[in-house]
Amino acid sequence: GESVGLHLPTLSVQEGDNSIINCAYSNSASDYFIWYKQESGKGPQFIIDIRSNMDKRQGQRVTVLLNKTVKHLSLQIAATQPGDSAVYFCAEVDNAGNMLTFGGGTRLMVKP
Amino acid sequence: EPEVTQTPSHQVTQMGQEVILRCVPISNHLYFYWYRQILGQKVEFLVSFYNNEISEKSEIFDDQFSVERPDGSNFTLKIRSTKLEDSAMYFCASSGSGVSSYEQYFGPGTRLTVT
Repeated sequence: GESVGLHLPTLSVQEGDNSIINCAYSNSASDYFIWYKQESGKGPQFIIDIRSNMDKRQGQRVTVLLNKTVKHLSLQIAATQPGDSAVYFCAEVDNAGNMLTFGGGTRLMVKP
Repeated sequence: EPEVTQTPSHQVTQMGQEVILRCVPISNHLYFYWYRQILGQKVEFLVSFYNNEISEKSEIFDDQFSVERPDGSNFTLKIRSTKLEDSAMYFCASSGSGVSSYEQYFGPGTRLTVT
């Protein structure tokens, strides 16, 4: 994907460890947040979402935490695998539910 | 699993030429979107489309851009007179209705290179 070349923060973890990827969002009125994964040469892939009236949501091996006080999102990946290596973006959805505003992304590198 | 598809995967065109990027959204989805990602930058929203009309567009989406749903399956983005700065990856996305309207699923993208 075109994230190659982005001056991205990089998180390097050992296979099997847990990963935490952080994101700050800008619009305190955003109602909905999504984490996307983008592998090289592919489009963003939906991972997990959370509404603004929640502070935590769990999926399969992933957990999203939302702190509205400081406008902060995090994505936790349990038992990280080499296939998790990608760029991860958070995105906020506008109140009309039409437009995603993406954050700058974090590159996750998993060492076998 | 249903997915959004896009063609072509790579389009090379000369400055000033018209290009049409094509997308087939997920079949039961009602909302359609175009985003772009210039090399080295974030994914940026261009336009959203619902019920055969544009529902929202960004400042990027000027008069050179247009979208169309010519039939029941395709969703196209046309750039009338391409500029060098239009070179980017263009992603189509679609989402369902109700609560699912927030879940946008992306296609693999079309790499547009303007020379």
